[in-house]
Amino acid sequence: QQQVKQSPQSLIVQKGGISIINCAYENTAFDYFPWYQQFPGKGPALLIAIRPDVSEKKEGRFTISFNKSAKQFSLHIMDSQPGDSATYFCAASGGTSYDKVIFGPGTSLSVIP
Amino acid sequence: ETGVTQTPRHLVMGMTNKKSLKCEQHLGHNAMYWYKQSAKKPLELMFVYSLEERVENNSVPSRFSPECPNSSHLFLHLHTLQPEDSALYLCASSQDPLGNSPLHFGNGTRLTVT
Repeated sequence: QQQVKQSPQSLIVQKGGISIINCAYENTAFDYFPWYQQFPGKGPALLIAIRPDVSEKKEGRFTISFNKSAKQFSLHIMDSQPGDSATYFCAASGGTSYDKVIFGPGTSLSVIP
Repeated sequence: ETGVTQTPRHLVMGMTNKKSLKCEQHLGHNAMYWYKQSAKKPLELMFVYSLEERVENNSVPSRFSPECPNSSHLFLHLHTLQPEDSALYLCASSQDPLGNSPLHFGNGTRLTVT
């Protein structure tokens, strides 16, 4: 019940295209769903996050879509750029236990010119 | 200097060595964490400190020993490690130790155990 599934494992997108990464969770106690972006040689950095009281959140070219009933959420990157090439991690957290920040295994995104 | 700073960036150690990783956060956060990042695996939480008190030890072997002398500094003391401990060790901080606020990560220490 603690697992967060993430797909695809890797993704290649043409410049200007849309990148879509999907995540699914099982624990209904989760109430905070962040996405982290990690470049080689760097630590993960928060990209965008959503709470389950909204179905969508947009920040610039990045949008999170959230489906509470299906326990799924996804990251859409519009007009993908080579500079977006990185590893993306979804995560879920909430409740009262300190180990409730559960990360997905990551998606390696390559945006080709 | 801002954010979360980790030193050293790279560390190679033998199985009988003793070394320490250092983390410093300049964000005024109340919680600090150690995570292990291995290839093709989700980030693994190792330890959580809230206001300098350890609140979580995620079944980590005793060859890893954390220390949090104050709310800005966190150490991970290493001794008699195994080759499978080779990984990227990430320090993070957050305002809320229960995971309901963003984690701010350092750039990690790449550890190689020979």
